[in-house]
Amino acid sequence: AQTVTQSQPEMSVQEAETVTLSCTYDTSESDYYLFWYKQPPSRQMILVIRQEAYKQQNATENRFSVNFQKAAKSFSLKISDSQLGDAAMYFCAPIFGNEKLTFGTGTRLTIIP
Amino acid sequence: GAVVSQHPSRVICKSGTSVKIECRSLDFQATTMFWYRQFPKQSLMLMATSNEGSKATYEQGVEKDKFLINHASLTLSTLTVTSAHPEDSSFYICSASGVGRGRGNSPLHFGNGTRLTVT
Repeated sequence: AQTVTQSQPEMSVQEAETVTLSCTYDTSESDYYLFWYKQPPSRQMILVIRQEAYKQQNATENRFSVNFQKAAKSFSLKISDSQLGDAAMYFCAPIFGNEKLTFGTGTRLTIIP
Repeated sequence: GAVVSQHPSRVICKSGTSVKIECRSLDFQATTMFWYRQFPKQSLMLMATSNEGSKATYEQGVEKDKFLINHASLTLSTLTVTSAHPEDSSFYICSASGVGRGRGNSPLHFGNGTRLTVT
């Protein structure tokens, strides 16, 4: 079975600081895609960043970057210069052998002013 | 960017009645749509996958006779909760992927969700 684990139910960070959210997964696939989604209080799912498993280079999107370790099956999200608007639930969500997203349990991120 | 519209955003219904939720792709053809359910403070749970013109594929444990899914066109999928009960109260979210978009090549686009309350 393909599983996704987010071991940090809650995280908090001081505004302007950096925080890393962890995600590990288990799959026998070699070709897949990994996503981080953000769900603010509005509950709209917002794509934060995407990583293709065949790419060794870590994806970066402005203040958001990932540390993708394929051998370790790890896909962490780093948020730099945290802002109040970053407060949300963050879900790690890979797509393995089909188009279905497999969501992790989520990490609630609080930004401390 | 691509937009997925979900309607209604909130609905309250009485136990025993049926409720229909619509999911529309506004600027692309959605060959596949997904329906999720989310309980408070929990993750999204995939209920079913629908492909245009064919029967939906339901995840294990999801009652297909209770959660009727129709994907009659490339822009519209509907989820009907039949004979609703209070335990069906939840947040339902749809997402869509489009024509010509390969697996993972284009991220899924999500609707804003529907909060269903069954009294």
